[in-house]
Amino acid sequence: NAGVTQTPKFQVLKTGQSMTLQCAQDMNHEYMSWYRQDPGMGLRLIHYSVGAGITDQGEVPNGYNVSRSTTEDFPLRLLSAAPSQTSVYFCASCSSADRAYQPQHFGDGTRLSIL
Amino acid sequence: GEDVEQSLFLSVREGDSSVINCTYTDSSSTYLYWYKQEPGAGLQLLTYIFSNMDMKQDQRLTVLLNKKDKHLSLRIADTQTGDSAIYFCAGARSNDYKLSFGAGTTVTVRA
Repeated sequence: NAGVTQTPKFQVLKTGQSMTLQCAQDMNHEYMSWYRQDPGMGLRLIHYSVGAGITDQGEVPNGYNVSRSTTEDFPLRLLSAAPSQTSVYFCASCSSADRAYQPQHFGDGTRLSIL
Repeated sequence: GEDVEQSLFLSVREGDSSVINCTYTDSSSTYLYWYKQEPGAGLQLLTYIFSNMDMKQDQRLTVLLNKKDKHLSLRIADTQTGDSAIYFCAGARSNDYKLSFGAGTTVTVRA
């Protein structure tokens, strides 16, 4: 049982380049989300999805796009990378089946540096 | 969303108890969580508490919730070197899956 898998683990980009951070989960979770983690700021929500075909913006969506064509995958796209997007990115998922207990399962993160 | 605040650093001697504190602003928070992040890893859910509870104990972990003061704490008994990590508190409303995180408390366990 792999849980939440993020690829790549590390990436260095030049300003203006584009790339896609991959996230896949094998738990059939409806809800998936992307966070970025910056020193002293905790995790901030970028985008989230409550099911295939449905996405919405979080707290810091600018410069990022997402899509949810399948339940398993939730890729995050950087359209034109900027140094301010240097961060550690986490993908998370949880099931909507049990609203009384909503543990979010996190991937190991993608460490992204923009030069 | 809501604001969640934590102290940034805590140093504790091995074998002592650690207490990590958190305050939140949103009284609608129904679920409150503690996550642990070890170096280079993702977030691991440690424990959680519902807003209708005052305390929850799980082995070495004790969570206390003071709803009046919007204060949450995590106590780790008999702290070990493996407890050195960043600890995040997070909150969510009952009708929302979005988590609001504090900045994280870096716990360092010294011999």
